[in-house]
Amino acid sequence: AQSVSQHNHHVILSEAASLELGCNYSYGGTVNLFWYVQYPGQHLQLLLKYFSGDPLVKGIKGFEAEFIKSKFSFNLRKPSVQWSDTAEYFCAVNPRPNAGGTSYGKLTFGQGTILTVHP
Amino acid sequence: KAGVTQTPRYLIKTRGQQVTLSCSPISGHRSVSWYQQTPGQGLQFLFEYFSETQRNKGNFPGRFSGRQFSNSRSEMNVSTLELGDSALYLCASSLARPSGRASDTQYFGPGTRLTVL
Repeated sequence: AQSVSQHNHHVILSEAASLELGCNYSYGGTVNLFWYVQYPGQHLQLLLKYFSGDPLVKGIKGFEAEFIKSKFSFNLRKPSVQWSDTAEYFCAVNPRPNAGGTSYGKLTFGQGTILTVHP
Repeated sequence: KAGVTQTPRYLIKTRGQQVTLSCSPISGHRSVSWYQQTPGQGLQFLFEYFSETQRNKGNFPGRFSGRQFSNSRSEMNVSTLELGDSALYLCASSLARPSGRASDTQYFGPGTRLTVL
């Protein structure tokens, strides 16, 4: 079964610091990759996604992520964080469906990383 | 376009009762997935429906069930509630192209917070 691992449970930064959140997955086949964010009191929102093509993808609010297939990684980055980036971040994987179709509609999530940004 | 909506937003039930949660997907979206979010287990997949058919199911007991209607709206039901069922239940919808490839982005609703006493 596939799994997703996020390296840090809680990251604390000051405004203007750079951010990198690690995400590794275990799955031997082709996958779609996502980062979602959950701001306090709000629902899960899509930050960015990777299906194919350029492994460096850009998302909303200045976030970007790089897919490194050989390392099974999809790390999230932002050059300069703001106080408003305080939230919980989730990496998620959706394997392309196999012949049995067991991947339909199923996202496997990492355990989440809480980011706290101090002004 | 309106986002994914879920009703009710909050529910309090007692052990042994059953509960039904509702989800309305984004207009035009045909796939609905359900997830359970708890502090201990994180986000776990329950099941997915497409064109009124369950195509995929997670590792939850049979007390958890769902269905989808012809307008793509979905409901999930939990029977014989247990204390451990207290969680945030999230619904997500996606376009799900006719080819059936699961390469679509899921958009999440605000969730239903279920508390079992």
